[in-house]
Amino acid sequence: QVTLREPGPALVKPTQTLTLTCTFSGFSVSTHGMRASWIRQPPGKALEWLARIDWDDEKFYSTSLKTRLSVSKDTAKNQVVLTMTNMDPVDTATYYCVRHDSSGYYFEHWGQGTPVTVSS
Amino acid sequence: QTVVTQEPSLSVSPGGTVTLTCGLSSGSVPTSYSPTWYQQTPGQAPRALIYNTNSRSSGVPDRFSGSILGNKAALTITGAQADDESDYYCVLYVARGSYVFGGGTKLTVL
Repeated sequence: QVTLREPGPALVKPTQTLTLTCTFSGFSVSTHGMRASWIRQPPGKALEWLARIDWDDEKFYSTSLKTRLSVSKDTAKNQVVLTMTNMDPVDTATYYCVRHDSSGYYFEHWGQGTPVTVSS
Repeated sequence: QTVVTQEPSLSVSPGGTVTLTCGLSSGSVPTSYSPTWYQQTPGQAPRALIYNTNSRSSGVPDRFSGSILGNKAALTITGAQADDESDYYCVLYVARGSYVFGGGTKLTVL
């Protein structure tokens, strides 16, 4: 059974760096074909794709946010990590960790989401 | 910048049929963009309904179907039920490793 575990709510101050860790179980982040993405959703607003990391460590980022984002994986801990620098109140959102389906077509398995609030 | 457009809101009567669309500000939606549709209820993570234009995700009832209608991707719900009242998002795979969500459609069943 595939599960994605995300941390509880986070509060960060403006200009600080956000680090989110997603722990996977039921599969390995190094399995050929594994792709994981981060997606966020501000309160009452639409979903926004942020970043993707593949089994072979290839990485992709949202064009509008790529200067602030970094995604990595820890094979030993079976985790994927998202880092976003220079946080601003407009970054307040629920951040989801997601695993793609085995063919890579779509976001199949979702974590429960981590509410992140940016406020001084 | 790629903008994906959806109807902000739609309504359907119970038992009725409704079509939600997903368009591109720059033109037609090609099947190569692998349109995917998600359903989201308040406080929950999204759930995949349709992927790769018209493939149903596991466990999704066959009253949900996907297609290309004209120059847009479309999600059709046939025989709408009360629990179909949700937000629906489409996402397009616009380039290698690049995904763009639409603004979402709030569907009311009344």
